[in-house]
Amino acid sequence: DGGITQSPKYLFRKEGQNVTLSCEQNLNHDAMYWYRQDPGQGLRLIYYSQIVNDFQKGDIAEGYSVSREKKESFPLTVTSAQKNPTAFYLCASSKRFLQSSYNEQFFGPGTRLTVL
Amino acid sequence: GIQVEQSPPDLILQEGANSTLRCNFSDSVNNLQWFHQNPWGQLINLFYIPSGTKQNGRLSATTVATERYSLLYISSSQTTDSGVYFCAVGSNAGGTSYGKLTFGQGTILTVHP
Repeated sequence: DGGITQSPKYLFRKEGQNVTLSCEQNLNHDAMYWYRQDPGQGLRLIYYSQIVNDFQKGDIAEGYSVSREKKESFPLTVTSAQKNPTAFYLCASSKRFLQSSYNEQFFGPGTRLTVL
Repeated sequence: GIQVEQSPPDLILQEGANSTLRCNFSDSVNNLQWFHQNPWGQLINLFYIPSGTKQNGRLSATTVATERYSLLYISSSQTTDSGVYFCAVGSNAGGTSYGKLTFGQGTILTVHP
C-alpha cells in the first residue's frame, strides 16, 4: 500500500537530548513537509523540501534540523535548542511543489513527543 | 501572511442533523484542503477544493475563491463524524508558488447518538 509512515508513534525525551523523528513515503512524491501541532491549535510549518538535497525553513524552524538525502525520506531532528518541544509532529508530502494546479498534501499518522 | 478563520469553533449535534462549517481566508489561494482529524490525531483528506463544488457521500464542499471563503457541508451526521475539522490554504502571495499550507484553528464537532 502507498502511504506515509512515521516512527516512532510516541517518543519521550529528557531535557538536553536531541531526538530524530522518521518520515518515509512511497508515493513517489517530490515535496515533503514537517508540521507541528500544539493542543487545541492548527498545524504550523517547520521545514519543507522540494527535491533531494534541498530544504527550506518554514515558520517555526528554530531548534529543528532536517535532511533530504533520499526522495522517500525526510527525517526531523529536534535539538536541545528547541525550548518547547513537547508537541504532535506530522509529516506530509505532495506530488509537486512549484505548481499552482494540484498540490494536494497527504499526512502521516504523526509522532507524539514528550519532554520529561 | 495569509489569515485563515474557521467558524464555529465548536459544534454539538444530534445524530442525523445537518451542519455547515465555514472557512474564511484573507488572500487569493491556489490550494484549499479540508481535513478531518480523528481522535488518534490522523489527518484525513476530505477535499482538495481551491475552487468550485465537490461531493463525496454525505459530505460536500464549496469554495468561492473570489469571495475568499469555503463551506463544508455534513448531512445526516453520524457519531463517527466527531472530531476536529481543519481548513488549510496555500497561497501564491509574493509571486512564487509555495507549497506551505496555513491552517485554521479548526472546528470541534461532537455528534451525540
